[in-house]
Amino acid sequence: EAGVAQSPRYKIIEKRQSVAFWCNPISGHATLYWYQQILGQGPKLLIQFQNNGVVDDSQLPKDRFSAERLKGVDSTLKIQPAKLEDSAVYLCASSHQLTSGRKGNEQFFGPGTRLTVL
Amino acid sequence: DQQVKQNSPSLSVQEGRISILNCDYTNSMFDYFLWYKKYPAEGPTFLISISSIKDKNEDGRFTVFLNKSAKHLSLHIVPSQPGDSAVYFCAAGYRGSTLGRLYFGRGTQLTVWP
Repeated sequence: EAGVAQSPRYKIIEKRQSVAFWCNPISGHATLYWYQQILGQGPKLLIQFQNNGVVDDSQLPKDRFSAERLKGVDSTLKIQPAKLEDSAVYLCASSHQLTSGRKGNEQFFGPGTRLTVL
Repeated sequence: DQQVKQNSPSLSVQEGRISILNCDYTNSMFDYFLWYKKYPAEGPTFLISISSIKDKNEDGRFTVFLNKSAKHLSLHIVPSQPGDSAVYFCAAGYRGSTLGRLYFGRGTQLTVWP
């Protein structure tokens, strides 16, 4: 079974520029998550999709971040314009159903995109 | 506000000995807990979970203990192996939420030396 794919793996941009990240979840997984992991911290949820609908974007800085999951499969996360504090690893994860702790419903993570904003 | 806390940023253990990683939480509504392991340049991978109706769950060399009254859980690795060297994240969620959202700790870097 193929895992969660993300691209690019690394991105360096200057502040005020725009950047986009792509995620392809595990086939058949209805739920998709984007996390931001700042150095030295744990992953923080930015947005969660159930199929192609948003179920939680309460932690997403909506003035500069946007995300979509067209057709309920792939997803893109965009930052426009980027700030220095956006430097982080952006992780995409997917799960078969809403994570409940039950075996089989855990979240599977991609390798992440490391963003550096200069 | 950090609802899941891992107060030890690092732990160093000799190969063959026991590794004990600790995690505390503040939200009493959490009713399931997970441990993830992360190698450099990779995403976190699921390791083991426990429901709040249990106080112990075991999977091979890995055992998670939950103390609900103390809002504390721990991951035991016995025996520790050099390949266990990674960052370990504790995470928690609650089924009462329809969102399935997880809250992560900051992680503990485990180093297992020969």
